[in-house]
Amino acid sequence: EVQLVESGGGLVKPGESLRLSCKASGFTFSKAWMNWVRQAPGRGLELVGRIKSKTDGGTADSATPVKGRFTISRDDSENTLYLQMDSLKTEDTALYYCATAVVVSTRSAFDFWGQGTMVTVSS
Amino acid sequence: DIVMTQSPLSLPVTPGEPASISCRSSQSLLNSNGYHYLHWYLQKPGQSPQLLIYWGSNRASGVPDRFSGSGSGTDFALRISRVEAEDVGVYYCIQGLQAPYTFGQGTKLEIK
Repeated sequence: EVQLVESGGGLVKPGESLRLSCKASGFTFSKAWMNWVRQAPGRGLELVGRIKSKTDGGTADSATPVKGRFTISRDDSENTLYLQMDSLKTEDTALYYCATAVVVSTRSAFDFWGQGTMVTVSS
Repeated sequence: DIVMTQSPLSLPVTPGEPASISCRSSQSLLNSNGYHYLHWYLQKPGQSPQLLIYWGSNRASGVPDRFSGSGSGTDFALRISRVEAEDVGVYYCIQGLQAPYTFGQGTKLEIK
């Protein structure tokens, strides 16, 4: 059974840092392109960024609002995806999901999602 | 970034009636492999999003056949042939052609 379990969320002040984790199981993590998607309270979905598999280069891309502040990384030995969030702003308050494509043959159609971890940035 | 525009943003529907949602992209989503990189998700209340349709018209595993996707280039549509109560939630399109992938604003389907 495919599972994605996020952790690491919490309440932080503006300017502080937080690291989120996503523990994966039930599929070959090292071959998967992994993604972070966020949803601010009452708002829509926003892709934060993605990281390719190492065999596909292992590069990470981030969305414009978080570029230079957020870093996506992965540890294939631990089947874990990370999101390092620095210089947090109040507008980063959101539920953060990790997501990936496992069954479908296109990496941009995420057929598995975690339950999300909540990040609240407030003074 | 590619901009995705959905309409309507709110969609009240009577059970048993059809429903349609439009999604337009700021540039063509046709890839050189012949596939359109346009996907549809449903986020039911209190749940994580679930994949409905990929490559514009392919139903994901377990998705009822009352859901269908169509379109090409920059104009796409999601249709529900007969809406059921369990279909309530917010529907999103997403373009997967160019990073960063971008979502539409979402269309909230509610039962009349």
